[in-house]
Order: sequence, then structure tokens, then C-alpha cells
Amino acid sequence: AQKITQTQPGMFVQEKEAVTLDCTYDTSDPSYGLFWYKQPSSGEMIFLIYQGSYDQQNATEGRYSLNFQKARKSANLVISASQLGDSAMYFCAMREVGSGGSNYKLTFGKGTLLTVNP
Amino acid sequence: EAEVAQSPRYKITEKSQAVAFWCDPISGHATLYWYRQILGQGPELLVQFQDESVVDDSQLPKDRFSAERLKGVDSTLKIQPAELGDSAMYLCASSLTRKLAGGNEQFFGPGTRLTVL
Repeated sequence: AQKITQTQPGMFVQEKEAVTLDCTYDTSDPSYGLFWYKQPSSGEMIFLIYQGSYDQQNATEGRYSLNFQKARKSANLVISASQLGDSAMYFCAMREVGSGGSNYKLTFGKGTLLTVNP
Repeated sequence: EAEVAQSPRYKITEKSQAVAFWCDPISGHATLYWYRQILGQGPELLVQFQDESVVDDSQLPKDRFSAERLKGVDSTLKIQPAELGDSAMYLCASSLTRKLAGGNEQFFGPGTRLTVL
């Protein structure tokens, strides 16, 4: 069963506007973490923002904010004032316990390709 | 700024040949990860090291893939023999400890793009 679902294969936004990228997750573990990464065409994954399941407030990092709705199991990324350089693939990932039992690993969604138009 | 280094950046090989990828994590990072990313998909964990020990290789095709981190620093991922379906991006990442959280996220290298002909 897919644990991270990103339902938007592609999104378009005008420069300087805000955009929301959707992410829903599935877990029965009360302690988990959610990450967002950006992957430009060069290939490197760039960490953007983190939200812990017990965090009381939604995470923010500069122009990035996370709309965390725990009951709905959603962790949408909001990018404000989009820039041309924001054009990239965006991946939502969830931290879960790995097969070793004491290690943590990330499970990624399929990603959303964001295109910022001038 | 400290970075995860990977080489080569690109590799083209013929099926049945052997290939090897190298990764040097950020200095001081105890946990190292190898991921495979098929075009249009998110990365999938192949193997995870804590220092020199493997802590998760449940998704590593062990009949053809091997990975080592002998001194607990840099790491090598090998495929022998390569198959057409191995064409993908191979990403290496590292983190300070295995307990991923805010302030202890994974840092990724630029990846090795493998094409098997």
C-alpha cells in the first residue's frame, strides 16, 4: 500500500503567486516525521522543510510553509511568492522505522513537477 | 559548505558488465544511504549503513548488488552483472545520526545516472 500519495503529477503557477503542493500519508505509528525535498533537473535532492507529528505549530522556512492537518493525514507544502528557480520536482517523504527495527528511513512519494511561468 | 560527493556523475554500460559507484558523505555523518530513483518515481532506499554496519538492506537485490562502507566513511555500491532494468539515478545521502528529524535531515549527493544498453 502506498504510504505517501502526491496526487498532482504536474502543477503550473505564475511567478510571484503562491502554490500548494499536496501530500497525504498513511501510518499507524504515533511518532513520525514528514519531509519535503526539491529536485531540480540537475538531480540533487534539496531539503526544504520538516514537520514532526508532535509539533504543535506548522513548520515554516522562509517562503516554504507546511500545512499540517494531522486528522486528515495531510502535509501540504505551500510556496509563497514563486520564483522561476522554484521550477523543479517536489517530493514529500515520511520517516518510518526501517526493517532493522532501530533505524529510520524515508519513504518518498512519486513527486509533483512544478513549473513557474514568467 | 559540506556536501555529499558522488562519482561518476554519469555511467553508460552494457548489460552483463560490472559497474561501481562511489560516495563520500559529509564529514562526521554516521549514517549513509543508497537510493535508486527510476525516472518519474521517488527515490527508493536500497541500503543503509550506520558507521560500517549495514542496518537495512531489505530492498537490495543481493544476487547482483553489493555495498560496503569498510572504514565507516566512504562507500561503494556495485552491480554485477548489470541488467537493462538497472537504468536509473543512484543517489547517496548521509545524516548525522539515524534518527531523522528536524535538524538531522538527510543530505543528498548529485547522484550517478546509470544507463544500461
